[in-house]
Amino acid sequence: AQSVTQLDSHVSVSEGTPVLLRCNYSSSYSPSLFWYVQHPNKGLQLLLKYTSAATLVKGINGFEAEFKKSETSFHLTKPSAHMSDAAEYFCVVSLGGTSYGKLTFGQGTILTVHP
Amino acid sequence: ETGVTQSPTHLIKTRGQQVTLRCSSQSGHNTVSWYQQALGQGPQFIFQYYREEENGRGNFPPRFSGLQFPNYSSELNVNALELDDSALYLCASRAPGRGETQYFGPGTRLLVL
Repeated sequence: AQSVTQLDSHVSVSEGTPVLLRCNYSSSYSPSLFWYVQHPNKGLQLLLKYTSAATLVKGINGFEAEFKKSETSFHLTKPSAHMSDAAEYFCVVSLGGTSYGKLTFGQGTILTVHP
Repeated sequence: ETGVTQSPTHLIKTRGQQVTLRCSSQSGHNTVSWYQQALGQGPQFIFQYYREEENGRGNFPPRFSGLQFPNYSSELNVNALELDDSALYLCASRAPGRGETQYFGPGTRLLVL
């Protein structure tokens, strides 16, 4: 079975400070991992994806994530938060194989950015 | 914008009724998936369609059904609506040979009274 756990339901940062959103996954196989962002009343936008190439993945808007197999983690980071980063972020895992195309989402982390 | 569109944007139904939600895939994408996102939760996989056939299903009862058309657009049908069906329904499309990356539409918000 696959699952994904986002360790913080809410994260609050000040504008210009670093962002860290934590995600752990469990999988018996080598998963594909994604981070999506959802702004209020909007659909889901892909930030970045890991698919067994480089372990450090760069995404849009200055976000990046590092795949650490030994820790089964895929934390999302950004060096300097911007007000426009305020949104809900989802860590997502997919096993592939017979579950190809089935994305399993974490519960989400709401990011608040203070001026 | 992903190019995936959904209609309607909002819908109100009463318990026991039936509803049809529609999705138009991004150009060139031949696989469509549907997800249910309850308030305060992450999206949950309902099912996936490829070449007009269902080829993957999550933990949802048979009253959730779908269709995919030759132009790759899709419908989600829900019969005998229950209060717990109130949610945001998201459609996502995927391109052939591009891995498992899915591109989501804006969703249809369904309220069951």
